[in-house]
Amino acid sequence: GDSVTQMEGPVTLSEEAFLTINCTYTATGYPSLFWYVQYPGEGLQLLLKATKADDKGSNKGFEATYRKETTSFHLEKGSVQVSDSAVYFCALSDREAGTALIFGKGTTLSVSS
Amino acid sequence: EPEVTQTPSHQVTQMGQEVILRCVPISNHLYFYWYRQILGQKVEFLVSFYNNEISEKSEIFDDQFSVERPDGSNFTLKIRSTKLEDSAMYFCASREGGGNNSPLHFGNGTRLTVT
Repeated sequence: GDSVTQMEGPVTLSEEAFLTINCTYTATGYPSLFWYVQYPGEGLQLLLKATKADDKGSNKGFEATYRKETTSFHLEKGSVQVSDSAVYFCALSDREAGTALIFGKGTTLSVSS
Repeated sequence: EPEVTQTPSHQVTQMGQEVILRCVPISNHLYFYWYRQILGQKVEFLVSFYNNEISEKSEIFDDQFSVERPDGSNFTLKIRSTKLEDSAMYFCASREGGGNNSPLHFGNGTRLTVT
């Protein structure tokens, strides 16, 4: 079945460092891909998405490119801030209405000043 | 900005007891979901609900689970006889329409602890 694999955390970085969180997926169809973020004490929020191959999703300085050839959707940010400390979830959705998201395990990012 | 609200934020219950987790989705949303996350594991889909009926459910959502939209605002998840392994964070989510262009909005979750 469909699945998402994320790099294991936690990821610990200093402010202004470059961030990459790897995500690969397995899907039978042509999924849409998502990154969700969960700040401490809050629910999951959509960070960015891409719905077809070669699309780049971006938001708040984060980017991820849908790579069909490598079945990947790695999250990147050029310069992290302390406020980016959160848990990041990669997810896919492979069907239409009523679609359920399939999530990865989540990667905890901790940024220190 | 409208948000999905869940209550309580933390529920402790004894094994074998019934629990009801409550959610108020965003008011104009039509699709509703429950997910759970066991500590250290993936966020897992439980069930989706549309037009007053279950539209999809996972293997996890067995006969011990049920969902209901008792009125125009609440969306509840009931676990009839809790087990230790039901301990998890339960997230409610809603979306305005179907398809991937309508983003899911999540609540802050209810942490269920079964002792």
